[in-house]
Amino acid sequence: KQEVTQIPAALSVPEGENLVLNCSFTDSAIYNLQWFRQDPGKGLTSLLLIQSSQREQTSGRLNASLDKSSGRSTLYIAASQPGDSATYLCAVRRDAGNMLTFGGGTRLMVKP
Amino acid sequence: DTEVTQTPKHLVMGMTNKKSLKCEQHMGHRAMYWYKQKAKKPPELMFVYSYEKLSINESVPSRFSPECPNSSLLNLHLHALQPEDSALYLCASSQDDREPYEQYFGPGTRLTVT
Repeated sequence: KQEVTQIPAALSVPEGENLVLNCSFTDSAIYNLQWFRQDPGKGLTSLLLIQSSQREQTSGRLNASLDKSSGRSTLYIAASQPGDSATYLCAVRRDAGNMLTFGGGTRLMVKP
Repeated sequence: DTEVTQTPKHLVMGMTNKKSLKCEQHMGHRAMYWYKQKAKKPPELMFVYSYEKLSINESVPSRFSPECPNSSLLNLHLHALQPEDSALYLCASSQDDREPYEQYFGPGTRLTVT
C-alpha cells in the first residue's frame, strides 16, 4: 500500500526566505505527483504536476522536483511571502487509474 | 473555465435530517470524485464516478449516498449522520479516471452534524 509522508508537518519562516518542503512515498511505481495548496477551510488549488518521466516543474517562484527511484519530491519556494502561508499537500497517482494518495501536508506560516 | 463549484458552502444538520451536497463542473470532465477531509488531515477518497457510473466506493457507510444525474453534476445525499461525520467535503473532477489526468477541486462544503 502506498504511503506518502510530508516533513516537516509545520514550518514557520520570516518573509523573504527560500524554503524546501519534502514529500516521500513508499512505492516508486507512480504515474505522476501533484503539489496542492490549501488555505484554511478551503478547497485545494493545484500548484504543479510532475509526470513520472520528468525531473522537475517550475511555476513562478515555485519549483518541484521528483526523484522517483528514491521516492522523493521537493517543493522549493523562493523569496517567501506572507501570502504563501497555507497548507501544502503532495499527492501521488498510482500507475493504474486516477486515484490520488495524499501526504499529511506541511502547514507553512510566513511571518512579515 | 476550470472551475468546480460546490453548494452549500456551509451546512449544519441534526442527526435525523436529510440533506444533499451538490457539485457542478462544465469542463466536459467524465470523472467526478467525493473526498472527505477532517481537520488537519489529508483528503480521503469516498467515491468515484466515471461516465456517470459509480466506479469506486471506498467502503463508505450507507448513510452517504452519491448520485450522478448527468455528466456535469454530482450529488451526495446525507441521512442519519453522526457527529463524527463533521468534516470538509470536497468534490473534484478530471477528464476521466482511466488515465492520470489532473484533478480539479471545488472549494468544499463545511458540514457540521449536531
